[in-house]
Formats: sequence, C-alpha cells, structure tokens
Amino acid sequence: EAQVTQNPRYLITVTGKKLTVTCSQNMNHEYMSWYRQDPGLGLRQIYYSMNVEVTDKGDVPEGYKVSRKEKRNFPLILESPSPNQTSLYFCASSPSTTGGADTEAFFGQGTRLTVV
Amino acid sequence: QKEVEQNSGPLSVPEGAIASLNCTYSDRVSQSFFWYRQYSGKSPELIMSIYSNGDKEDGRFTAQLNKASQYVSLLIRDSQPSDSATYLCAVRKYQLIWGAGTKLIIKP
Repeated sequence: EAQVTQNPRYLITVTGKKLTVTCSQNMNHEYMSWYRQDPGLGLRQIYYSMNVEVTDKGDVPEGYKVSRKEKRNFPLILESPSPNQTSLYFCASSPSTTGGADTEAFFGQGTRLTVV
Repeated sequence: QKEVEQNSGPLSVPEGAIASLNCTYSDRVSQSFFWYRQYSGKSPELIMSIYSNGDKEDGRFTAQLNKASQYVSLLIRDSQPSDSATYLCAVRKYQLIWGAGTKLIIKP
C-alpha cells in the first residue's frame, strides 16, 4: 500500500530533550516536506527536500533540523524542544513539483507533540 | 495579503443543501489547485484537483477555477453530516501554498 508513515503518533517530552520524528514514504517520491499545524494558523511548512541531500527552509524553520540521506526517509529533529513547539506535525510527499497532475501531496498520519 | 485566503468559517449548511467554499490566491503564475478535507486531528486528504479554467466534477463535488479572477471554489451537493470537516485550499506554483482552511458544519 502506498503510504507515508510517521512515528511516533503521540509524544510528550520535556523541554530540552532532543527528539526525532521519523517519516518514510514508499512511493519513490522526490519531494518531501514537514508541516506544523496550530489552531487558526493552518499548515505551515517547516522544511522541505527536493531530492536526496537537498533540503531547504520553509516558513518556520527555527528550532528544527532535517536530513535526507535516502529518498524514502525524511526525519524531523528537534535538538532542544521548547513548549512553543507543541503542535500537530505532518510529513508529506509529492512525486514532483513541476506542476500538473503529479503534484498532489500525500500526508502521513500526523504526530501530536507536547513539550512540557 | 496572504498568498492563499479562505474564510475561516464556520460555514453552517443544512443537510441536503449545496455547500460552497471559496479560495482566492495572489500569484497569477500558480499552476495547480487542490482541495483537501481534514477531519479534526487527522491528516488532510485530497478531494479534488483542478488545473485549467472551468468546472471539474467528481460525484457530489465540483471544483471551479477562474484564473483571471484568481479564485477557486468547491461545491458540495447534497451535503451530508459526514462532510463536516475543515476544507483546505492549496495552490502550487513550485511549492504548495496552503490556505488556513474553512470549517464546514452540516446540520442534520
């Protein structure tokens, strides 16, 4: 089954304790991205990757890191989480970004992170 | 001005009526347009995509695109309580740009 898999689904952690949220897709998509979603603010892009070893900042990158060593995986790293990073996080992938029918985004199930 | 704008709602529609959701965008070079449905706490799922001016119908859903006026709309006919959700408009030039979503409530 074609899917984007995120883990964990729920995470409660303490301020300053490094964490990683994993994301894996099995559709051979070139493009992957991370979003956070907060009430009233919609989806905000954190980082994106056009292909292996190519990553770039989105709209809200502060406090986050990513890596793209393999095409299928795109982990999100919070080196020192703070309470303002409490949010619902989504990983998404797309076949490409060239426009047209192959550019829809496929989403993971989401990770609800609470930083206390 | 936001790049993609939607009325946050909530939009309340009686069951069986037509729900009309609107979205405007600022970049004339945008190429692809998408409507996603998102239930509370769940991930967005694609409802409709549209790439050229005019209407595109899929079951009870119709997407309408007017590039000259820079708006895209979604019509839901014979609205059902299960259609109650937040509807996200997304526009792609290179990156996907998201609207904040419109909350739709279908009243039985």
